[in-house]
Amino acid sequence: DTAVSQTPKYLVTQMGNDKSIKCEQNLGHDTMYWYKQDSKKFLKIMFSYNNKELIINETVPNRFSPKSPDKAHLNLHINSLELGDSAVYFCASSVASGNTIYFGEGSWLTVV
Amino acid sequence: QKEVEQDPGPLSVPEGAIVSLNCTYSNSAFQYFMWYRQYSRKGPELLMYTYSSGNKEDGRFTAQVDKSSKYISLFIRDSQPSDSATYLCAMTEGGAQKLVFGQGTRLTINP
Repeated sequence: DTAVSQTPKYLVTQMGNDKSIKCEQNLGHDTMYWYKQDSKKFLKIMFSYNNKELIINETVPNRFSPKSPDKAHLNLHINSLELGDSAVYFCASSVASGNTIYFGEGSWLTVV
Repeated sequence: QKEVEQDPGPLSVPEGAIVSLNCTYSNSAFQYFMWYRQYSRKGPELLMYTYSSGNKEDGRFTAQVDKSSKYISLFIRDSQPSDSATYLCAMTEGGAQKLVFGQGTRLTINP
């Protein structure tokens, strides 16, 4: 069983479109994250949710909106996609009191 | 200056060599140190986790932390082609929400 799973793995879309990436974890963790990895492999945190509550919201355009229907799911919706949004988006999870996080396989987003 | 500095490489070594990967950091409050391994087209996976200064060994991998120098290392002995990946260091003062990552070093082990 995959611990942190996200879909879709690959997404190619046109500028201006709206798209969503879904994430689910079966580790029983109470904290979930969205990270963005750019072409230079830098991993940057975007959002963090703890028990469905937004904890961290880094400087991310308003076009990005996370939604957590329950503590096992954290989805990412992106409006009006731009070329610069092309990146790999990783979902991750952890226990609130822990120091390590566990990543999903990533979603490769290409905006054309 | 970035909080965590890591040479992106690429680093290419022959099979069987000892590999040394390093990170330096500026925040003396960091206490928990990790190494993640990321294969191509995959998510980062936790490889080693250490707390405070000292060494930790796991099979062919040794993680070393020198807090006085603000320097951490990952050593890979008897390197294998399957070790070819990007290695990212990560650290936190406490709490996964505050994890800070290095850029990652791309490593290739040549058969």
